[in-house]
Amino acid sequence: GQNIDQPTEMTATEGAIVQINCTYQTSGFNGLFWYQQHAGEAPTFLSYNVLDGLEEKGRFSSFLSRSKGYSYLLLKELQMKDSASYLCAVRDRRELSFGAGTTVTVRA
Amino acid sequence: GAVVSQHPSWVICKSGTSVKIECRSLDFQATTMFWYRQFPKQSLMLMATSNEGSKATYEQGVEKDKFLINHASLTLSTLTVTSAHPEDSSFYICSARDPPTASGGSYEQYFGPGTRLTVT
Repeated sequence: GQNIDQPTEMTATEGAIVQINCTYQTSGFNGLFWYQQHAGEAPTFLSYNVLDGLEEKGRFSSFLSRSKGYSYLLLKELQMKDSASYLCAVRDRRELSFGAGTTVTVRA
Repeated sequence: GAVVSQHPSWVICKSGTSVKIECRSLDFQATTMFWYRQFPKQSLMLMATSNEGSKATYEQGVEKDKFLINHASLTLSTLTVTSAHPEDSSFYICSARDPPTASGGSYEQYFGPGTRLTVT
């Protein structure tokens, strides 16, 4: 299995930038995913990294360093609707395992 | 992106009864589906991996006789919670993998909207 660590909570102001870090340990790494989950809803896909580097998609960017077992999700120009839980998930050869999630609260 | 549906979205049942949850991939064929359980303020925990036409693979600690999984077709997997107890109350989420083919697709996993089960 994997050990996936991410902060429990983060708070930021509307319009600001927040970076959510994720560290992992796994055998047979086959990709890292970030999902957004609003309370009471299923996760929705945000990003996928399998090679080192930065993937940018609109206001969201994700970075991966496989040698360090490290990823981050960068949320820019925060909006109130971005208040949610953000899940880091790592795939090995067989399955996708999730971190505990980081609850981001955006304040006006 | 691909769409995965779940039915029902919520269900309340009495202790000792059984509940069936359906998971369907609507616009792709999913040879593999996954069942997760999520307790409040916790992350998703994989319960089992369901492969079409074969027996499901259960994660350690998940009772296969209590959580029956059937993946009879490429678009449908069902999870039956047998003899439900209040501690089985949780948010159950299925996920389907869209394997790459000559016409496209990827190994991305798509999640259903979830089923909230409450056992009284």
